[in-house]
Amino acid sequence: AQTVTQSQPEMSVQEAETVTLSCTYDTSESDYYLFWYKQPPSRQMILVIRQEAYKQQNATENRFSVNFQKAAKSFSLKISDSQLGDAAMYFCAYRSKSDYKLSFGAGTTVTVRA
Amino acid sequence: DSGVTQTPKHLITATGQRVTLRCSPRSGDLSVYWYQQSLDQGLQFLIQYYNGEERAKGNILERFSAQQFPDLHSELNLSSLELGDSALYFCASSPRDSYGYTFGSGTRLTVV
Repeated sequence: AQTVTQSQPEMSVQEAETVTLSCTYDTSESDYYLFWYKQPPSRQMILVIRQEAYKQQNATENRFSVNFQKAAKSFSLKISDSQLGDAAMYFCAYRSKSDYKLSFGAGTTVTVRA
Repeated sequence: DSGVTQTPKHLITATGQRVTLRCSPRSGDLSVYWYQQSLDQGLQFLIQYYNGEERAKGNILERFSAQQFPDLHSELNLSSLELGDSALYFCASSPRDSYGYTFGSGTRLTVV
């Protein structure tokens, strides 16, 4: 079974600064997908960014970027120029190519200080 | 609005009761997934349906069942409810060949 570990229960960042969230995963597969989801107080699960394991280039979506280290099984999320609206719980998730279910980490709560 | 509709948004019921949660996927999406989010277990995959057929099963209790209808909407039935079933239940949907999917806003179930 795949496991996803987020070692930081909480992170705090000053508005306009940068914060990096850590995620590691365990898998024996070579082809898979990784995701970061945001869950604001509204509880809606919002896809932030996704990465295909066979692509070496790190994914970027506006202020959000990832550092994907396949050999280390690490998938960190960087939020640049943090905004108050970025305050939320962030979940890292893994999906193998052959299996449609997502395995989630425990989440990291991000607080943005004005 | 994500396009995935879940009803009801909130549900309060007593132990031992049965409830039905409903999900309408995004237009054109054939796959529906159910997840449970609780404080102690985090986000757990329950079950997946694809075009009316069960595709994969996760940590779904025998007291729980689901189905997907010809119009592609899905229902999750929870019976003999226990206090520990209190959680946020999410539905998500995806197109046939997409590796990502879209979540609904969830149904908050409280068992008292």
